[in-house]
Amino acid sequence: GEDVEQSLFLSVREGDSSVINCTYTDSSSTYLYWYKQEPGAGLQLLTYIFSNMDMKQDQRLTVLLNKKDKHLSLRIADTQTGDSAIYFCAERPGGGSARQLTFGSGTQLTVLP
Amino acid sequence: ETGVTQSPTHLIKTRGQQVTLRCSSQSGHNTVSWYQQALGQGPQFIFQYYREEENGRGNFPPRFSGLQFPNYSSELNVNALELDDSALYLCASSPPGTGRTGELFFGEGSRLTVL
Repeated sequence: GEDVEQSLFLSVREGDSSVINCTYTDSSSTYLYWYKQEPGAGLQLLTYIFSNMDMKQDQRLTVLLNKKDKHLSLRIADTQTGDSAIYFCAERPGGGSARQLTFGSGTQLTVLP
Repeated sequence: ETGVTQSPTHLIKTRGQQVTLRCSSQSGHNTVSWYQQALGQGPQFIFQYYREEENGRGNFPPRFSGLQFPNYSSELNVNALELDDSALYLCASSPPGTGRTGELFFGEGSRLTVL
């Protein structure tokens, strides 16, 4: 079955870059996503990438996709304290309905002043 | 523009009871999905509603059921509650034209505690 794995914790200094990594198992995944969840809140879509792309940049966010290794990463440039949150990687498997995403368990990003 | 709103925000039930959670989708959105997020885990897909019909379901038993209304709002019903049903229930709506990209816009969730 589908599985998405992420490291649980990441700590960086304010102003540094953060890199959050994710691996997935479904080779038929069509889209891959990064969501952000702040305490007591729902999930906010940050960005997504189509599986035939290898990079997508959106302001401070850069997504890299290595489809051969089934590895996805999210780089946040100039990380700020407001970026402290849980970041979820998710894939949309090739089968299933359009909104049936498989999420990882999340990476808790802590930004230190 | 009002985002996705869910009610109630918190509730406590006992085993065997039934619960109904409600969701108003974001203006202009016509598809609603429900996810269950257990503590410390990522969300798990329960089901999706489009045109008032369920058109996708995850690995959840039939005691999880739902409705979508003509105004695109939705309900999630859970019968015969079990302790493991304790979780944050997230509703997400999606606008037309995102059937390929699968973008989800989440509400803040309803936290259910089953004692």
